[in-house]
Amino acid sequence: LAKTTQPISMDSYEGQEVNITCSHNNIATNDYITWYQQFPSQGPRFIIQGYKTKVTNEVASLFIPADRKSSTLSLPRVSLSDTAVYYCLVAKGSQGNLIFGKGTKLSVKP
Amino acid sequence: GAGVSQSPSNKVTEKGKDVELRCDPISGHTALYWYRQSLGQGLEFLIYFQGNSAPDKSGLPSDRFSAERTGGSVSTLTIQRTQQEDSAVYLCASSPETENIQYFGAGTRLSVL
Repeated sequence: LAKTTQPISMDSYEGQEVNITCSHNNIATNDYITWYQQFPSQGPRFIIQGYKTKVTNEVASLFIPADRKSSTLSLPRVSLSDTAVYYCLVAKGSQGNLIFGKGTKLSVKP
Repeated sequence: GAGVSQSPSNKVTEKGKDVELRCDPISGHTALYWYRQSLGQGLEFLIYFQGNSAPDKSGLPSDRFSAERTGGSVSTLTIQRTQQEDSAVYLCASSPETENIQYFGAGTRLSVL
């Protein structure tokens, strides 16, 4: 399983766009990139998953360059409720255990 | 439908006692996972079930930890002779057959005194 590296923490203000970049230099051909969000006292929650280029859903966008060695999670116009830990994971598309790092702790201030 | 359910939500026990943690996955999900999360840390993989069999037990930290899954549904994680370092939040997740997106429960917070 490819290792990922992401910032330990980020600060932002309400209404701003937040971009969290994750590096995964050893990503394999059949690996997908997945992001999870975790609030205190809750289990992680799936946000978005992609293989290449750009993926967008109602919550976020995921940008993946052609070499797939990094990815950027983009949260548009964050609110206080987006304060959470965000995990970047790389794993094959089929079932199997996931490797969670320490994630990026995002703090959104008013 | 209902999400992943874990019980109890909190468990306080004395050192040396055995504990059982229960996970009820989303109906129809074939894979079930157990993770452990210590305070301020990321998630540590423990064990993965595909149906009732466990193809990957590599994360179990010692032989005091065991898990079973019956009927392809409910799973129980058992910790024997608990130690203070076992104190953590134990998270369960499940995923459907066709994808590796995991759906997590709220966890069981275990405190060993």
